[in-house]
Amino acid sequence: NAGVTQTPKFRILKIGQSMTLQCTQDMNHNYMYWYRQDPGMGLKLIYYSVGAGITDKGEVPNGYNVSRSTTEDFPLRLELAAPSQTSVYFCASGDRQAYTEAFFGQGTRLTVV
Amino acid sequence: KQEVTQIPAALSVPEGENLVLNCSFTDSAIYNLQWFRQDPGKGLTSLLLIQSSQREQTSGRLNASLDKSSGRSTLYIAASQPGDSATYLCAARPRSGGSYIPTFGRGTSLIVHP
Repeated sequence: NAGVTQTPKFRILKIGQSMTLQCTQDMNHNYMYWYRQDPGMGLKLIYYSVGAGITDKGEVPNGYNVSRSTTEDFPLRLELAAPSQTSVYFCASGDRQAYTEAFFGQGTRLTVV
Repeated sequence: KQEVTQIPAALSVPEGENLVLNCSFTDSAIYNLQWFRQDPGKGLTSLLLIQSSQREQTSGRLNASLDKSSGRSTLYIAASQPGDSATYLCAARPRSGGSYIPTFGRGTSLIVHP
């Protein structure tokens, strides 16, 4: 059981480039989330999804887009990378039953230069 | 809006000490509170999950308590070891909203020195 898998683990982008951070989970979870983590700042929610075809903005959505065409996958897209998007990105998932725990991927470390 | 605060932000202790990490939250309408460990450059490892109906959870040398009425949770680490050095994060999962988005504190960075 793989849990939540994120790819790539590391990436360096040039300003203005685009990329997609992949996230997939094999636990049939309805809820999926994207967070970014900056040093000393905790985790901030970028986007979330409560099920296939449904997405919504979190606290810091600007510069990002998401889609949720299947239950398993929740990719995060950066269209025009900026240095402010240098961060560590975490994908998480959770069951429809809210009293269960959230599961996290291992993170993607992104540097924009 | 839920806000989660962790105190202290950093802690350095000698090996063998018992220590307490604090987590406070502003909205007591939560489903659960989860404690995570994060090693440098790594992802989040779940340590303990406390449901809103529970008072505490234990795993080995770790004990987490929850007091919803005061909006507080504590993580107690007994007989600390250098291997416990990491950042500890708490996250509260709300009852309202329907999306059950965990809200995180900024973490407590713990160093246990030999």
